[in-house]
Amino acid sequence: DGGITQSPKYLFRKEGQNVTLSCEQNLNHDAMYWYRQDPGQGLRLIYYSQIVNDFQKGDIAEGYSVSREKKESFPLTVTSAQKNPTAFYLCASSPRTVYGYTFGSGTRLTVV
Amino acid sequence: AQSVAQPEDQVNVAEGNPLTVKCTYSVSGNPYLFWYVQYPNRGLQFLLKYITGDNLVKGSYGFEAEFNKSQTSFHLKKPSALVSDSALYFCAVRDTHGNNRLAFGKGNQVVVIP
Repeated sequence: DGGITQSPKYLFRKEGQNVTLSCEQNLNHDAMYWYRQDPGQGLRLIYYSQIVNDFQKGDIAEGYSVSREKKESFPLTVTSAQKNPTAFYLCASSPRTVYGYTFGSGTRLTVV
Repeated sequence: AQSVAQPEDQVNVAEGNPLTVKCTYSVSGNPYLFWYVQYPNRGLQFLLKYITGDNLVKGSYGFEAEFNKSQTSFHLKKPSALVSDSALYFCAVRDTHGNNRLAFGKGNQVVVIP
């Protein structure tokens, strides 16, 4: 089955640590996206990538980094510079056409 | 830049009654419009989309939405709500000009009361 997989589902991070969230898709989609979701704030775009080896900052990129070395993969690193990383993180992908996004099931990150 | 407004934070409806979730949009060109649903601790699931053609769009789980260009609206509707429809609903718009990014609304929590 084609789809988009995020792992892990739950992640705990100590203050000062970097953590990496995985996002893999087998839909042959060109574009991939990372969103952060906080209660009452909807979805906020962190980074997006339209093609391999290229990505752009979204609205809240500070404290995050990404890479796009393969079409299928778009990992997100939450660095120690992100002061309030506790949130639900969603990855999405889309073809470079008029269609909408396919979302992963999300990763809930908690700082302990 | 494109944007979406979902004016109500929460919509309460009795089971069996009609459900409406409101959405208005702003784009510079023609819009591509989408509705998604999210259940707790899950990703967003696609419900329906408007690209072109008939203004009334039918989607998954008995939902439909009406595109109104003059009012720049794309309200989501269901004739008879179920308790299982209780979830968070997001409207999104994509501009036909420029990049492929979707702009999402803040979401509406729908509570269907048994």
